Amino acid sequence: KQEVTQIPAALSVPEGENLVLNCSFTDSAIYNLQWFRQDPGKGLTSLLLIQSSQREQTSGRLNASLDKSSGRSTLYIAASQPGDSATYLCAGSGGGADGLTFGKGTHLIIQP
Amino acid sequence: NAGVTQTPKFRVLKTGQSMTLLCAQDMNHEYMYWYRQDPGMGLRLIHYSVGEGTTAKGEVPDGYNVSRLKKQNFLLGLESAAPSQTSVYFCASSYWEGGTEAFFGQGTRLTVV
Repeated sequence: KQEVTQIPAALSVPEGENLVLNCSFTDSAIYNLQWFRQDPGKGLTSLLLIQSSQREQTSGRLNASLDKSSGRSTLYIAASQPGDSATYLCAGSGGGADGLTFGKGTHLIIQP
Repeated sequence: NAGVTQTPKFRVLKTGQSMTLLCAQDMNHEYMYWYRQDPGMGLRLIHYSVGEGTTAKGEVPDGYNVSRLKKQNFLLGLESAAPSQTSVYFCASSYWEGGTEAFFGQGTRLTVV
């Protein structure tokens, strides 16, 4: 059974810093990995999807990488802003129909 | 431009009452999912559907039933609510299994007293 772990559970950094959020998974047969953002009391907003054949995806100031052999994915946020404050979730899919396996998230605070 | 819409957004139930949560998607997705999110537990899959008329159990299906009578709708039912079902419920959909992006609704916050 796939297990997904996110470290750290919480992170607070000053505005303007570049930062990396980590996600590890136990089953290297992962089919794809998706990063989400969740604001307090809100739903999940998809940020990036990395297919198993890809190594990374970029969207604006966000870059996500996937290394299946080491069981790791990272989300890089460049030039962080207070508006980036949220909980970031990673989730892996085994390629079947039975949905995503989620990590517990990293709660990110960007200090103005 | 609605995406995935959940109804209702908030609900308080008394123990033993029943209710149905509605999820509607307008993206013509085949796959739909119901998750619950609890503090310290992350999101866990309750039930899912791979197409109209089909349903299957996820990780935590006990106490819930689902139906997918129309492709765009996925209903989650609680027949006899228990305090342990207090949670935030999220519906999601995707075009096909695993390989494509999943889109989530805004959630339903359910409290059972």
